[in-house]
Amino acid sequence: KQEVTQIPAALSVPEGENLVLNCSFTDSAIYNLQWFRQDPGKGLTSLLLIQSSQREQTSGRLNASLDKSSGRSTLYIAASQPGDSATYLCAVEAYLWDNYGQNFVFGPGTRLSVLP
Amino acid sequence: NAGVTQTPKFQVLKTGQSMTLQCAQDMNHEYMSWYRQDPGMGLRLIHYSVGAGITDQGEVPNGYNVSRSTTEDFPLRLLSAAPSQTSVYFCASSYPRRNEQFFGPGTRLTVL
Repeated sequence: KQEVTQIPAALSVPEGENLVLNCSFTDSAIYNLQWFRQDPGKGLTSLLLIQSSQREQTSGRLNASLDKSSGRSTLYIAASQPGDSATYLCAVEAYLWDNYGQNFVFGPGTRLSVLP
Repeated sequence: NAGVTQTPKFQVLKTGQSMTLQCAQDMNHEYMSWYRQDPGMGLRLIHYSVGAGITDQGEVPNGYNVSRSTTEDFPLRLLSAAPSQTSVYFCASSYPRRNEQFFGPGTRLTVL
């Protein structure tokens, strides 16, 4: 069964720092991996999607990498700002033997606080 | 585009009551899903649909029913609410397959 973990569970950094959030998954048979941001009491906002054939994706100050063979993804945030404070979740779409349906597995999230 | 919308935002039920959580999307997405989010458990898939008229169970389907009569709507029914169903419920959609998921704002449900 696919399991997703995220380290650290919480992170507090001063404004301006570059930081890395980690996501690990137990089974490398995935279709894709997606990073989300969740603000308190809100829904999930998609940040980056990496298909299984890709190694990384970039959007503005965000860069996500994927190493399927080792079961790892990292989300790099450059020049962090207080507005980046949120919980960051990763999710993998696990491979299905019959290629039918959906099987998304989420990690527990990393709670990020960027201090002014 | 309104994206993915959910109603209501908040709901309080008594044990044994039934209700329907509404989800709609205006992006013509084939795939729609329902998740629940609980502290310490993360998001777990309840039911999903790969198109109108087709639904299937996710990881935690017990106590919930779904139907998909149109591409736009995917309601989630609680048949007889239990305190264990107290949670935040999210609806999501995606198109094409194996692609980015878009989430609604969530419904916070409390069962007393």
